[in-house]
Amino acid sequence: SQTIHQWPATLVQPVGSPLSLECTVEGTSNPNLYWYRQAAGRGLQLLFYSVGIGQISSEVPQNLSASRPQDRQFILSSKKLLLSDSGFYLCAWRLAPDTQYFGPGTRLTVL
Amino acid sequence: DQQVKQNSPSLSVQEGRISILNCDYTNSMFDYFLWYKKYPAEGPTFLISISSIKDKNEDGRFTVFLNKSAKHLSLHIVPSQPGDSAVYFCAASEIGSNTGKLIFGQGTTLQVKP
Repeated sequence: SQTIHQWPATLVQPVGSPLSLECTVEGTSNPNLYWYRQAAGRGLQLLFYSVGIGQISSEVPQNLSASRPQDRQFILSSKKLLLSDSGFYLCAWRLAPDTQYFGPGTRLTVL
Repeated sequence: DQQVKQNSPSLSVQEGRISILNCDYTNSMFDYFLWYKKYPAEGPTFLISISSIKDKNEDGRFTVFLNKSAKHLSLHIVPSQPGDSAVYFCAASEIGSNTGKLIFGQGTTLQVKP
């Protein structure tokens, strides 16, 4: 069966510090992968998606970037965090036709 | 432009009664629809989906209805249980898309009272 992992579970970072969130998927190959953010009291906003290694599509211009160095690894990064980057970050993978399965999420607080 | 809308931020229902959560969409290219349930500090959990070739899909206590002409879908939970208390998101996609992108609504918080 497929499993998706995210870490860390929680993170508190100062403004201006770098960020690296990691997501890995087990039990499947060449999945479509997605990064979402849920800001406080808001819905799920798609940030990035990837249909293959090295392929990244950005949905929203922002202070974040994503990379996919391996087939089942998806990384969300920032060089300098802003207060507005606080939120709950979710990684997901896609099972055809279009059902996505989510990881446990990372709660990021930028102070 | 909000392509998927859940106009009710919250809903409160008595245990054992029916919960009806609603969702509207504007993009006529959407042909696959999903409902997710989310507890605080956890990732959303897939509940049920429906393609545009159907108007109803049922899975246990959960039924999703799709009205394509009205661009409206709803999730019925019968009977509602306290453990159903969570945030429910509807989502939509274009099934032929290689990207598999989902567009989510803002969510509806369901509270089921014992």
